[in-house]
Amino acid sequence: QVQLVESGGGVVQPGGSLRLSCAASGFTFTNYGFHWVRQAPGKGLEWLAFIQYDGTTKYYADSGKGRFTISRDNPKRTVYLEMNSLGTDDTAVYCCAKDIWQQLGYFNSWGQGTLVTVSS
Amino acid sequence: EIVMTQSPATLSVSPGEGATLSCRASQSVNKNLAWYQQKPGQAPRLLIYDASARATGIPARFSGTGSGTEFTLTISSLQSEDFAVYYCQQYDNWPPLTFGGGTKVEMK
Repeated sequence: QVQLVESGGGVVQPGGSLRLSCAASGFTFTNYGFHWVRQAPGKGLEWLAFIQYDGTTKYYADSGKGRFTISRDNPKRTVYLEMNSLGTDDTAVYCCAKDIWQQLGYFNSWGQGTLVTVSS
Repeated sequence: EIVMTQSPATLSVSPGEGATLSCRASQSVNKNLAWYQQKPGQAPRLLIYDASARATGIPARFSGTGSGTEFTLTISSLQSEDFAVYYCQQYDNWPPLTFGGGTKVEMK
């Protein structure tokens, strides 16, 4: 079955960096676009970034533009989110989500997420 | 950016009763709207897409209606497993993809 497993979260100081990973299994990875979505503690869902099935198209929310970079390694079936210049308001659970197809813009599978805590 | 507004923020319902959740878009999103259910500690689950199509495995007690700027998710007879937070999300005009703030359906 479809499985998405995030890793790479942890505690980081303000101004620091992290790289999150999302390992996928159970489907044809190269057919689908992927997104990163985050949820701050007790808050709602915030879309962050999208990467097309072949990695050629990427979109970002304003909150991450210039700081976050989405990428994918198709042979490794993994999607990444590189985050720089982190601030305390970046503290959240970060989830990867599989697009329903290549770039339709809604999600039929989500990972459980990885917690990022930005604190000194 | 399209702003999605959900109401009410919290809905108190008894098991077996129906629930109606609303979602409004700041501009037309046609029928490009999805609903998700999220339980504590779990990832969201897709319930409805294209405003009214049920996702695979979703019970018939969940139904979605609307188009343009006004949308509704109806749960016809709440089961214990339906108490959760529900989010709407537009995918008509993106980036960015945008979510509503959520409606918490709690037990009365």
